[in-house]
Amino acid sequence: AQTVTQSQPEMSVQEAETVTLSCTYDTSESDYYLFWYKQPPSRQMILVIRQEAYKQQNATENRFSVNFQKAAKSFSLKISDSQLGDAAMYFCAYRSAYSGGGADGLTFGKGTHLIIQP
Amino acid sequence: GAVVSQHPSWVICKSGTSVKIECRSLDFQATTMFWYRQFPKQSLMLMATSNEGSKATYEQGVEKDKFLINHASLTLSTLTVTSAHPEDSSFYICSARDPIGEDTIYFGEGSWLTVV
Repeated sequence: AQTVTQSQPEMSVQEAETVTLSCTYDTSESDYYLFWYKQPPSRQMILVIRQEAYKQQNATENRFSVNFQKAAKSFSLKISDSQLGDAAMYFCAYRSAYSGGGADGLTFGKGTHLIIQP
Repeated sequence: GAVVSQHPSWVICKSGTSVKIECRSLDFQATTMFWYRQFPKQSLMLMATSNEGSKATYEQGVEKDKFLINHASLTLSTLTVTSAHPEDSSFYICSARDPIGEDTIYFGEGSWLTVV
């Protein structure tokens, strides 16, 4: 079974600064997807960024980028120029690339509560 | 982007009764839907995977007779909590897989269940 670990229950950053959220995972599979989701107080899960394990290039979405280290099984999220609207719970998630038998479901980390200081 | 609608957003029911939550994919056909449970200040825990036209696959520790899942069409999955108890009170979220294109999973808005 796969596991996802987020070791930072809470992080705080000044507005306009940069913050990095950590995530490690454990799997015996070679092909998989990794995600970062944002969950604001509304509880709606919002996809922030997605990384395919077979891609060596780190994914980037505007102010959000990842540092994907496959050998180390590490998948950190960097948020640049932090904005007040970035305040939320952030979940790292793993999904197998092999279909069937429930393998499609996401495995989530425990989350990191990100606080933006004005 | 694609939309997944979940209904109701809030529901309060009495102990011993059953309650149904619907999850609909509005603009794509979802071959697979997933049901998660989230306790306050905790992460999402996968309860079951629902494939259209077949029985759901439940995660270890999830009672299939208590949490009935039906995926009768490619756009609708339902979760029925039977004989609800206060400990079943939680936030339930569904997601749906769009296999076309980037094979993305989209989440519903979630449903708060309170059993009194």
